[in-house]
Amino acid sequence: QVQLQESGPGLVKPSETLSLTCGVSGGSISSDHWWYWVRQPPGKGLEWIGGIHRTGTTNYNPSLKSRVTISIDKSKNHFSLKLNSVTAADTAVYYCTRSPNLIVTRPLDCWGQGTLVIVSS
Amino acid sequence: DIQMTQSPSSLSASVGDRVTITCRASQSISIYVNWYQQKPGKAPNVLIYGTSTLQSRVPSRFSGSGSGTDFTLTISSLQTEDFATYYCQQSYSLPFTFGQGTRLEIK
Repeated sequence: QVQLQESGPGLVKPSETLSLTCGVSGGSISSDHWWYWVRQPPGKGLEWIGGIHRTGTTNYNPSLKSRVTISIDKSKNHFSLKLNSVTAADTAVYYCTRSPNLIVTRPLDCWGQGTLVIVSS
Repeated sequence: DIQMTQSPSSLSASVGDRVTITCRASQSISIYVNWYQQKPGKAPNVLIYGTSTLQSRVPSRFSGSGSGTDFTLTISSLQTEDFATYYCQQSYSLPFTFGQGTRLEIK
């Protein structure tokens, strides 16, 4: 059974870059899935950040596109998120997740446990 | 972006009750709606995808229906473990967007 695990700093200073990695275990990141990042500010709802396919194709939320980069490393079986110029509004639990490319409605069928990132000086 | 509006925002119900949560899209999205359950401190779990397809191992008391702009999630007989927050999500067009959530509480 595939498991996802986020890792990275839990505290980032304003104006700096948030960097997270999602390790994939029990399966291959080269499988036919889309690999996504979703975030949730404390006490609030879910926001889709963007995603990447094994081919390297990416999709980003336009509201964050100018600050986001998602990449994939097949040799390490993980994918990563970089969000630059962070502010307090970027404080959230960050989840990595995936959807099967062959299911057209793209359900997010596997999630990491989430990691809280606080933006503060 | 497609806006997803859930109602109600919160709901109190008792074990055994039948509960319906509604999600309205700001434009037609065919059947491209997925439903998630989230418990405190945990990641969401998909319950239903493509409006009405039950995810593997999800109890049959959960069901979904709708098309176009109006969708519903129904729990036929609430169990203790169903008290959680529920989110709809559209996957019709990018960016994927979620409803604001419906918090289901014990009466």
